[in-house]
Amino acid sequence: GDSVTQMEGPVTLSEEAFLTINCTYTATGYPSLFWYVQYPGEGLQLLLKATKADDKGSNKGFEATYRKETTSFHLEKGSVQVSDSAVYFCALSDLPSNFGNEKLTFGTGTRLTIIP
Amino acid sequence: ETGVTQTPRHLVMGMTNKKSLKCEQHLGHNAMYWYKQSAKKPLELMFVYNFKEQTENNSVPSRFSPECPNSSHLFLHLHTLQPEDSALYLCASSQDVAYEQYFGPGTRLTVT
Repeated sequence: GDSVTQMEGPVTLSEEAFLTINCTYTATGYPSLFWYVQYPGEGLQLLLKATKADDKGSNKGFEATYRKETTSFHLEKGSVQVSDSAVYFCALSDLPSNFGNEKLTFGTGTRLTIIP
Repeated sequence: ETGVTQTPRHLVMGMTNKKSLKCEQHLGHNAMYWYKQSAKKPLELMFVYNFKEQTENNSVPSRFSPECPNSSHLFLHLHTLQPEDSALYLCASSQDVAYEQYFGPGTRLTVT
């Protein structure tokens, strides 16, 4: 079945450091890939997505590139801020488009803490 | 209210209690989902409703009973739960073909 593996946390970085959170996946088809972020006390929010190979998703200074050859979707940010402290989830959706019935497979989440 | 809301935000219940979680979406979506989020485990999809019809039940124990009276509301009825059911229960909704789901803030459930 489908699965998502992301690096174990917690990850602690200093402000303005470079961030990489690794994510690899296993899927039978051609999945869409996502990064979600969960800030303290809140639900998950979509951070960025990519729907086909070599696509790059980006938002709020975060980027991730869909690498089919390495089945990876690593999250990067050049200079992190304290406000980026959150839990980050990598996810995939491997179903063909079925209006309103998409299913996501999530990784375990990586807790990121940025210290001033 | 906008987006996806969930009530209550926190719930403590005994193993013999009956309680319900409520989710409401104000996005005009047609699909709604219940997830369970436990520490150090991936999010677990529990139920999916599409146009008020249940389309997915991920082998969830019968002590969890979902109800979807309309496309905007989703309930999770709880009875005779176990301590291992303590978790954050997240509701989500979706509409478009880009697989994007919008999540509520969750209900933190503690079973004593």
